[in-house]
Amino acid sequence: QQQVKQSPQSLIVQKGGISIINCAYENTAFDYFPWYQQFPGKGPALLIAIRPDVSEKKEGRFTISFNKSAKQFSLHIMDSQPGDSATYFCAPRSSYTGGFKTIFGAGTRLFVKA
Amino acid sequence: NAGVTQTPKFQVLKTGQSMTLQCAQDMNHEYMSWYRQDPGMGLRLIHYSVGAGITDQGEVPNGYNVSRSTTEDFPLRLLSAAPSQTSVYFCASSYREEQYFGPGTRLTVT
Repeated sequence: QQQVKQSPQSLIVQKGGISIINCAYENTAFDYFPWYQQFPGKGPALLIAIRPDVSEKKEGRFTISFNKSAKQFSLHIMDSQPGDSATYFCAPRSSYTGGFKTIFGAGTRLFVKA
Repeated sequence: NAGVTQTPKFQVLKTGQSMTLQCAQDMNHEYMSWYRQDPGMGLRLIHYSVGAGITDQGEVPNGYNVSRSTTEDFPLRLLSAAPSQTSVYFCASSYREEQYFGPGTRLTVT
């Protein structure tokens, strides 16, 4: 668990604002950097992901920024909506012959105020 | 497709009892895994499998056993439940990078 540090633990944002969640990692073998979204009572679901050969990826209101030298990546949610209220996890993955291993961050609980 | 299904949804056990958490997927994914989720700790990998007949340990394997006799099913066994195993358990299957999670089993050990 120490390999991945996610911040902040919780976040309150006004509707229409920008939500920013950060993830710092230690293992340079990570080769895939996803963010998962989890609603109460549900399993996590992939939100957006990036590979280390690009520095930014945007899908609608969600953007991942990746800084390989700093070993950090972040999730930006533009125009945050009450429906975005959920727990977000970074979950970098390392591959090896025959499989892969994923390490989850501790999670960030986001609440978007209407 | 039903995706990843888990049963039961809720379970209460007494210390020392055994049980099996069921997980099935209909997407023909080779890779399957079990996680436990505890407050403030994210998801921690218990066991995983890269295909039928092949399993390996994750971060927190103690107290849990798994087997993979078919591509579809990946049951998790608790041989002698302990209060420390109170948690929410998620099964996931993977195609390439993306993991697909089941709805979870909330287990309480008293």
